[in-house]
Amino acid sequence: DAGVIQSPRHEVTEMGQEVTLRCKPISGHDYLFWYRQTMMRGLELLIYFNNNVPIDDSGMPEDRFSAKMPNASFSTLKIQPSEPRDSAVYFCASSLDGRNGPQHFGDGTRLSIL
Amino acid sequence: SQKIEQNSEALNIQEGKTATLTCNYTNYSPAYLQWYRQDPGRGPVFLLLIRENEKEKRKERLKVTFDTTLKQSLFHITASQPADSATYLCAPGSAGNNRKLIWGLGTSLAVNP
Repeated sequence: DAGVIQSPRHEVTEMGQEVTLRCKPISGHDYLFWYRQTMMRGLELLIYFNNNVPIDDSGMPEDRFSAKMPNASFSTLKIQPSEPRDSAVYFCASSLDGRNGPQHFGDGTRLSIL
Repeated sequence: SQKIEQNSEALNIQEGKTATLTCNYTNYSPAYLQWYRQDPGRGPVFLLLIRENEKEKRKERLKVTFDTTLKQSLFHITASQPADSATYLCAPGSAGNNRKLIWGLGTSLAVNP
């Protein structure tokens, strides 16, 4: 079975540009999570969805960040406008319903804002 | 605020020895705790989950303990191999409907042949 698929793997863009990160969760998983990882802060949860509905977006740093899940097989995380401090690795993960179920991660998007 | 602490320094051990990694938490009472492995350039991979009513969990060469009195989990790899070299992350989670995990920064393990 295919795992969680993220695109692009790498993104380099200039400050002020719009950035869109994409994620395809594992088929049948009804939870989807977006994380950001940096050396200083580790993995930080940005937002998670259940059955395509955003449940908790308290980790979204500011209004420049937005996430959507139009259907069960696709989600986007958008940053507009981007800033150098947004540079990080962004991960998407999915899990089956279940209180303590393991999360399955994609290989991330390494984002560099110049 | 909730805080998760893992060994900040890298752990270097000799092949065949047992590696022991520590995860401490404060201002938090997790109902369960998950351990993940992360290789460079890859996403974390789930290894084990242990619940608050379980003292110990094993899977092949891996063993996890969970001490709610000490607020600590220990992660052991027995008969370690160079292929076990990676960063290991602990992630406690709370009971209830919130699916959030709180993540430690991870401990880097290097197993030398």
